[in-house]
Amino acid sequence: GENVEQHPSTLSVQEGDSAVIKCTYSDSASNYFPWYKQELGKGPQLIIDIRSNVGEKKDQRIAVTLNKTAKHFSLHITETQPEDSAVYFCAGGQGAGNMLTFGGGTRLMVKP
Amino acid sequence: GAVVSQHPSRVICKSGTSVKIECRSLDFQATTMFWYRQFPKKSLMLMATSNEGSKATYEQGVEKDKFLINHASLTLSTLTVTSAHPEDSSFYICSARAGGGYEQYFGPGTRLTVT
Repeated sequence: GENVEQHPSTLSVQEGDSAVIKCTYSDSASNYFPWYKQELGKGPQLIIDIRSNVGEKKDQRIAVTLNKTAKHFSLHITETQPEDSAVYFCAGGQGAGNMLTFGGGTRLMVKP
Repeated sequence: GAVVSQHPSRVICKSGTSVKIECRSLDFQATTMFWYRQFPKKSLMLMATSNEGSKATYEQGVEKDKFLINHASLTLSTLTVTSAHPEDSSFYICSARAGGGYEQYFGPGTRLTVT
């Protein structure tokens, strides 16, 4: 089955700086890679996703890149703000009809 | 769009009793719903996958007789924790996906405490 590893487990940045979280996956058949943001005591919120037919996707201050050959994908947050502080999870799966495998999570702290 | 609700948000029950958690997709039809369990500061652990009108598929190590899942309609799935014990205390989260869709949308979670 799929195995997703996520690094780093914790990340502290200064407000305004960029943050990068990286994930690797093992199953070359995986073709869908979402990112979720989870605030304390709440459910995960889908913030961006990418499918294997593209290498990069951007939505305002967040972007995701995918390298299928190396089987890794990354989340990039620019101009970080204190409200970006949360736990971020990456996931991988075979898209429609199939389950997702989640990474271990990254606790992002943005210092004002 | 893509809103998923859970009820209750918090529940405290006594050891040996059963508790039911509801998961609803409010603005889309969810042919598939997933139930996860999350321990403090840990990732999401998939417990089971349920397709509307079918029996749930449980992950290895999850007792199907203890965690009863029903997905009787395209907007509602329930998880019943039977004969709850303190070790069942956890954060339970559901997610829902529309038919043929890629995206999973999560509910806000239910904090279960068994005393």
